[in-house]
Amino acid sequence: GAGVSQTPSNKVTEKGKYVELRCDPISGHTALYWYRQSLGQGPEFLIYFQGTGAADDSGLPNDRFFAVRPEGSVSTLKIQRTERGDSAVYLCASSWNGLAGVGEQFFGPGTRLTVL
Amino acid sequence: GNSVTQMEGPVTLSEEAFLTINCTYTATGYPSLFWYVQYPGEGLQLLLKATKADDKGSNKGFEATYRKETTSFHLEKGSVQVSDSAVYFCALITAAGGGADGLTFGKGTHLIIQP
Repeated sequence: GAGVSQTPSNKVTEKGKYVELRCDPISGHTALYWYRQSLGQGPEFLIYFQGTGAADDSGLPNDRFFAVRPEGSVSTLKIQRTERGDSAVYLCASSWNGLAGVGEQFFGPGTRLTVL
Repeated sequence: GNSVTQMEGPVTLSEEAFLTINCTYTATGYPSLFWYVQYPGEGLQLLLKATKADDKGSNKGFEATYRKETTSFHLEKGSVQVSDSAVYFCALITAAGGGADGLTFGKGTHLIIQP
């Protein structure tokens, strides 16, 4: 079956602009995660959705970052007033988390964001 | 909070050499431990995992044992191949929160295998 997909694969924008990054999780996966990976670093957790609600957004760096998952499937990460320091690869992962525990996370290919 | 420390790279080995990549962790609660791999031009893939102490995860000839007493999860392979060249990430998640804290990753170790 299809894996996690992310669009666009690359995004170049200018400082101060608004961007949206999209994630399509594996069908049926209840949990969705966003991570940010800077060059030479491991991914850093941003936000976690269980269903439609953001169960944990403690990793969002500031209020310029916001994410939604209105129907419990597709998610959009939104960044306002982008800064050069936002340049990174943004990764999305999905898993099936339930009463039996936390499932394996499957990662998408990422969106490489470059802020000029 | 949670953290993962893994050996700095790059690690350069000859084909058929023995590999060890060290990983230690600190965690609040009882973590599950993972090794992820990122091959050139590809996305992150789960390599192996262990969910409780003394469990051994294994896949593609790689192994790692969950050592609670030393808070370690070192990755080993007896004979590496050129195709093992990739970046390897050690990671943990504390399931007590229902996975809500996400994975905590180390910085990654770039492995280069020379023929």
